Amino acid sequence: DAGVTQSPTHLIKTRGQQVTLRCSPISGHKSVSWYQQVLGQGPQFIFQYYEKEERGRGNFPDRFSARQFPNYSSELNVNALLLGDSALYLCASRMDRVNEQYFGPGTRLTVT
Amino acid sequence: AQSVTQLDSQVPVFEEAPVELRCNYSSSVSVYLFWYVQYPNQGLQLLLKYLSGSTLVESINGFEAEFNKSQTSFHLRKPSVHISDTAEYFCAVSGVGGATNKLIFGTGTLLAVQP
Repeated sequence: DAGVTQSPTHLIKTRGQQVTLRCSPISGHKSVSWYQQVLGQGPQFIFQYYEKEERGRGNFPDRFSARQFPNYSSELNVNALLLGDSALYLCASRMDRVNEQYFGPGTRLTVT
Repeated sequence: AQSVTQLDSQVPVFEEAPVELRCNYSSSVSVYLFWYVQYPNQGLQLLLKYLSGSTLVESINGFEAEFNKSQTSFHLRKPSVHISDTAEYFCAVSGVGGATNKLIFGTGTLLAVQP
């Protein structure tokens, strides 16, 4: 069975640009969460979506936005990129209220 | 709100020696607890979890962790490590019944197994 997939694998952007990251959950999983992992730190919660509705948001500025599609895939958008947005962005999926989350390989974003 | 503390940023150990990675948490509500492992340039893999029931949980590759409510701890142990266990280990907590069930992670412990 395919796990959580994310694209692209790596991305290099310039300050001020916008970026869109994509995530496909495990088949049958209805919930997708996004996390930011800065080098040397643990992942930080950004968003959670369940059945296409936002169910939670972490302490991130409004430059960060996300959405979930009818097929439960998700996109994370970041506008007006800053150098500090450089990080590994992880997507995780879970089936429902059961709190076992499965992570994808991540997208490595570098902002120059 | 929950928080997780992993006091050891790095734990060097020789192959076939035992190891313990410490994790303490803080929460005003009941919690679920997790250990994730991250190999270089990869995402997170769930190693083991405590949701309810027996306080001692085990993984398929020989790791175990024990939920200690009185000490608010969830330490990870392995009686004999292998070179292939070298990785970053993250402890995570989630509040039971929360609206989001978001995971709160510690800062990670690098397990460095030496031959």
